[in-house]
Amino acid sequence: AQRVTQVQPTGSSQWGEEVTLDCSYETSEYFYRIFWYRQLFSGEMVFLIYQPSFDTQNQRSGRYSVVFQKSFKSISLVISASQPEDSGTYFCALSELYDTNAYKVIFGKGTHLHVLP
Amino acid sequence: ETAVFQTPNYHVTQVGNEVSFNCKQTLGHDTMYWYKQDSKKLLKIMFSYNNKQLIVNETVPRRFSPQSSDKAHLNLRIKSVEPEDSAVYLCASSTGLGDYEQYFGPGTRLTVL
Repeated sequence: AQRVTQVQPTGSSQWGEEVTLDCSYETSEYFYRIFWYRQLFSGEMVFLIYQPSFDTQNQRSGRYSVVFQKSFKSISLVISASQPEDSGTYFCALSELYDTNAYKVIFGKGTHLHVLP
Repeated sequence: ETAVFQTPNYHVTQVGNEVSFNCKQTLGHDTMYWYKQDSKKLLKIMFSYNNKQLIVNETVPRRFSPQSSDKAHLNLRIKSVEPEDSAVYLCASSTGLGDYEQYFGPGTRLTVL
């Protein structure tokens, strides 16, 4: 069973539109973090933003923000004023305790976003 | 600006050969990781090291062995490659023990003929 699910394999938007990418996850841990990464067409993976489980406030970083619904175990990445350069594959990742000394990161399958000019 | 370096970029080899991939980070991080990304872009953790010590070891075939000489280097050796080993191998580093954001290298694409 998938632990991190991104139901939208692809998405598109027009330049300037707000884009929302969805992610749901399964965990029994109280403390965990959800990360969002973008993989460029070159293959480079870039960190965007993260949400700690204990923080009820939705995190923001530049044009990126998240909508965190902890009770539903879901989190959405919101990109404001999308640009063609935002095109790429967006990954949601869950970091949870692996054992007493380490955390393990589990990635979703990604959502490929295409922003049209 | 690249701070996690991987060599080689590409490697083509035949079934049964041994390959080695290198990874170096200049960020001063304590923890490094190896991920395998398959043709469907699914990314899976293989190993992670903290200060040269193995801390995450997922179920991977025994022919895969990580090697860490110091906290800035984490190499991956594959003895006797199989066709299913064809993938992109991504190295990453972070502060903390996997609970902070990771910085990725450009990847090594392995093709096994």
